[in-house]
Amino acid sequence: GNSVTQMEGPVTLSEEAFLTINCTYTATGYPSLFWYVQYPGEGLQLLLKATKADDKGSNKGFEATYRKETTSFHLEKGSVQVSDSAVYFCALSDWGFGNEKLTFGTGTRLTIIP
Amino acid sequence: DSGVTQTPKHLITATGQRVTLRCSPRSGDLSVYWYQQSLDQGLQFLIQYYNGEERAKGNILERFSAQQFPDLHSELNLSSLELGDSALYFCASSQDGGETQYFGPGTRLLVL
Repeated sequence: GNSVTQMEGPVTLSEEAFLTINCTYTATGYPSLFWYVQYPGEGLQLLLKATKADDKGSNKGFEATYRKETTSFHLEKGSVQVSDSAVYFCALSDWGFGNEKLTFGTGTRLTIIP
Repeated sequence: DSGVTQTPKHLITATGQRVTLRCSPRSGDLSVYWYQQSLDQGLQFLIQYYNGEERAKGNILERFSAQQFPDLHSELNLSSLELGDSALYFCASSQDGGETQYFGPGTRLLVL
């Protein structure tokens, strides 16, 4: 079955540091890949997505590239801010194969200190 | 704001009781998904409805059931509640043929 493996947290960084959160996946088809973010006390917000190999998703300074050869979708940001403190979830769906549910990683808690 | 609404925001109840969680999808979205977020299981897919019909089932207990009504809102019914059912329950919706799911703010259920 499908699965997503995320970097264990928590991750603590200083403001303006470079961020990488690793994500690898296993899927039977050609999944779409997503990063969702959950701010304290809130629901899940879509951060970015990529639907095919070599696609790059980007939003709010975050980027992730769909790498089929390494089955990875690592999240990066060049300069983090305190407001980026949240839990980040990597997810996939095999939507094109009729498997529309999202399979999530365990989440990575990120804390940015001023 | 994703456009997906969920009520109630919080729910406290006792073991053995039954509760109903409600979800209204984004305008025009035909698919509704339910997910459970707990500390030990993480985010787990429960069930999906599409235009009133059940489309996919995940790790949903037999004590749990759902339905989607003609106006496309959905309800998740949880019965014979146990302490372990305490969790955050999310609803998400997507367009017909759309792969991106938009999540509601969740209902936090506490079973005492």
